[in-house]
Amino acid sequence: SQQGEEDPQALSIQEGENATMNCSYKTSINNLQWYRQNSGRGLVHLILIRSNEREKHSGRLRVTLDTSKKSSSLLITASRAADTASYFCATVHVQGAQKLVFGQGTRLTINP
Amino acid sequence: EAGVVQSPRYKIIEKKQPVAFWCNPISGHNTLYWYRQNLGQGPELLIRYENEEAVDDSQLPKDRFSAERLKGVDSTLKIQPAELGDSAVYLCASSLPSSRGTQYFGPGTRLLVL
Repeated sequence: SQQGEEDPQALSIQEGENATMNCSYKTSINNLQWYRQNSGRGLVHLILIRSNEREKHSGRLRVTLDTSKKSSSLLITASRAADTASYFCATVHVQGAQKLVFGQGTRLTINP
Repeated sequence: EAGVVQSPRYKIIEKKQPVAFWCNPISGHNTLYWYRQNLGQGPELLIRYENEEAVDDSQLPKDRFSAERLKGVDSTLKIQPAELGDSAVYLCASSLPSSRGTQYFGPGTRLLVL
């Protein structure tokens, strides 16, 4: 069974708005990663945040991690039509070296 | 740098037929993964290789699925015989040992079993 739970399952916003996706997990992690998947394509790594980090930025992406709540959020600022994709969080367990456990994903649609 | 290569991209077969998928990882990546992704879900790990050794195959349905990575580079995943429930996207990924879990994915093979 998959560890991550993502919320919402689907999100539709207007171009230029910010998009926020949330991820919760159940057991202690080494790190948490976010991936993007365009329709019919493989997954692309976006950002990795370690368990001792609370916030990380990469371009228009901002990721937060709250290990006490076992949750993470991905914020995409100033969204563009090209951001339309499914976004997945994936966790690496403390005892699961290099094993990623994926959530079910959030399907993001950016309307022009 | 070339990415992870998978073939075929699409495959349609009838149930009970065999099928095989091929993956060539990024050069220098000694860790290779096979995932299955059902529609609307995240990928689920089937098997992980470190070089030619399968170090985690706990989720591989061994009655019908097999995999090999004979020379520690490219890999094949086989299903024999295929069942209707095997319809999914099969993704291959690779990583470096020190990547802390960051993986690089191929485009996947979309399998439809009729």
